[in-house]
Amino acid sequence: AQRVTQPEKLLSVFKGAPVELKCNYSYSGSPELFWYVQYSRQRLQLLLRHISRESIKGFTADLNKGETSFHLKKPFAQEEDSAMYYCALDNAGGTSYGKLTFGQGTILTVHP
Amino acid sequence: DAGVTQSPTHLIKTRGQQVTLRCSPKSGHDTVSWYQQALGQGPQFIFQYYEEEERQRGNFPDRFSGHQFPNYSSELNVNALLLGDSALYLCASSLMDRDNSPLHFGNGTRLTVT
Repeated sequence: AQRVTQPEKLLSVFKGAPVELKCNYSYSGSPELFWYVQYSRQRLQLLLRHISRESIKGFTADLNKGETSFHLKKPFAQEEDSAMYYCALDNAGGTSYGKLTFGQGTILTVHP
Repeated sequence: DAGVTQSPTHLIKTRGQQVTLRCSPKSGHDTVSWYQQALGQGPQFIFQYYEEEERQRGNFPDRFSGHQFPNYSSELNVNALLLGDSALYLCASSLMDRDNSPLHFGNGTRLTVT
């Protein structure tokens, strides 16, 4: 069965510092991985997906199949990045559209 | 564009009762997925509806059932409520063509079972 692990429940950094939110997964097939973000009083929304290879709001994430990781990184954190971040996996290749397995989430706080 | 809308926003029920939660998908979306999010946890997949049929199901008992209507809106029903069913219930919509359609989430319905 697939599993997503976010080892840090809380992460605090200062503005301008680099930030890395860790995500590890277990899945035997070819996963499709996402990062979702929930800002205060807002709904859960997609931040980025690995197949797009985009940089959104300065965030990037690289899928490392050897280490089964999909860590989210940003070189210079901003206060507006403070939010809850969820890593999620969709087992691509089947009929699993929309069946995401989420990690427990990491609360990122960026201090001024 | 109103996005995904869910009703009600909050609900309090007694153990053993039944509850119905409602979801209207984002305009243009045809697929609805339901998730349960317990306090301090990530969302957990309950099931997904497309073309008025349940297409996929997560590890939830038969007490959890759903329905999708011809206008793509959906309902989640939970029978014989347990205290452990207290959670935030999220609805997410998408297009079945997944390559171009990430999930769009609603604000959720907070269910409290006493």
